[in-house]
Amino acid sequence: KAGVTQTPRYLIKTRGQQVTLSCSPISGHRSVSWYQQTPGQGLQFLFEYFSETQRNKGNFPGRFSGRQFSNSRSEMNVSTLELGDSALYLCASSVGGLGEGTQYFGPGTRLLVL
Amino acid sequence: GDSVTQMEGPVTLSEEAFLTINCTYTATGYPSLFWYVQYPGEGLQLLLKATKADDKGSNKGFEATYRKETTSFHLEKGSVQVSDSAVYFCALRATGGFKTIFGAGTRLFVKA
Repeated sequence: KAGVTQTPRYLIKTRGQQVTLSCSPISGHRSVSWYQQTPGQGLQFLFEYFSETQRNKGNFPGRFSGRQFSNSRSEMNVSTLELGDSALYLCASSVGGLGEGTQYFGPGTRLLVL
Repeated sequence: GDSVTQMEGPVTLSEEAFLTINCTYTATGYPSLFWYVQYPGEGLQLLLKATKADDKGSNKGFEATYRKETTSFHLEKGSVQVSDSAVYFCALRATGGFKTIFGAGTRLFVKA
């Protein structure tokens, strides 16, 4: 079974631009979560989607948004990029529902904001 | 709120040495516990998990036991290899919860 895929793997943007990252979950998984990883803050939860609905959101500004499609694929968008948005963005999928919720991670998208 | 605390790194060991990375947690109820590993330039890989008290997760020679009485989930390996050099994250997720909570990560260096 194919794992979680994320595109693109690397991105370079300039301040003020916006960016869209994509995540395709493992087949059959209905939950997708996004995390931001930086050397200073570690792994921080952004949001989780299940069946096209956002179930939970982390403590990030409104510039960070996401959505999930009917095929469970998810996108996250960051508008008006800031230097501090440079990070590795990780997507994780799980079966969803009320189970123990093991999450499987993709390789990440590394975003550099200049 | 729920939280995970793991020992600070880096941890430097010689090949074939015994490894312990301590992890303790704070949570209400009965969370599932996980260890993830991250190799340089890659995403997180699930190493092992345990879903209830006294469960032992194991994989690739690594083991961790879910100890509810001490709220701990320490990672151990009897004989480390250079290829085990990576960052290890302890994590928890409440049953039916919507997010996984991670520790800060422990970097392991194994010398030949």
